[in-house]
Amino acid sequence: NAGVTQTPKFRVLKTGQSMTLLCAQDMNHEYMYWYRQDPGMGLRLIHYSVGEGTTAKGEVPDGYNVSRLKKQNFLLGLESAAPSQTSVYFCASSSLQETQYFGPGTRLLVL
Amino acid sequence: SQQGEEDPQALSIQEGENATMNCSYKTSINNLQWYRQNSGRGLVHLILIRSNEREKHSGRLRVTLDTSKKSSSLLITASRAADTASYFCATDARNAGNMLTFGGGTRLMVKP
Repeated sequence: NAGVTQTPKFRVLKTGQSMTLLCAQDMNHEYMYWYRQDPGMGLRLIHYSVGEGTTAKGEVPDGYNVSRLKKQNFLLGLESAAPSQTSVYFCASSSLQETQYFGPGTRLLVL
Repeated sequence: SQQGEEDPQALSIQEGENATMNCSYKTSINNLQWYRQNSGRGLVHLILIRSNEREKHSGRLRVTLDTSKKSSSLLITASRAADTASYFCATDARNAGNMLTFGGGTRLMVKP
């Protein structure tokens, strides 16, 4: 099993450009999450999903959109990137009230 | 505001010593989880302790939970240089839809 995978691993964007981060899990988990981590800080939840076709806002949702068309995939979109969105993005998946398993992260630099 | 807050923010010890990190939180929880993050890497799950549990062990790790004080501690015994990492607590709060809230982490350095 691959666990949780994320693509791409690293990306540089110019302000105003758009991109989509892909997260995939092969553990048949219902719950999936997107976090961002800024230097020297803990993770903050952007959006999450409790099942296929459902999404919900987390702590810092502004400037991001998500979709969960398939149970195993969770996409994070930036429609118009801003320098404040420079961060490391982590995806995670879990079952209800169980351990969250994290992907390796995507480093995003917005110039 | 963050649900979990780790203390200390940074800790430096010699190999072989024990390391203790503390986490305080604000609301009732379903469980509390500890994660490790090596520099530039993803998070690795260490231990999950549920609200009805008081202590759990995993190898050299020991986690305690005191729900009356809303606090948890992570003890790493006989530390090794390879334990150098950041350690985060995360709380799964009741009525929070299975969301985890992370603290700012404790940066542990173990000197050989």
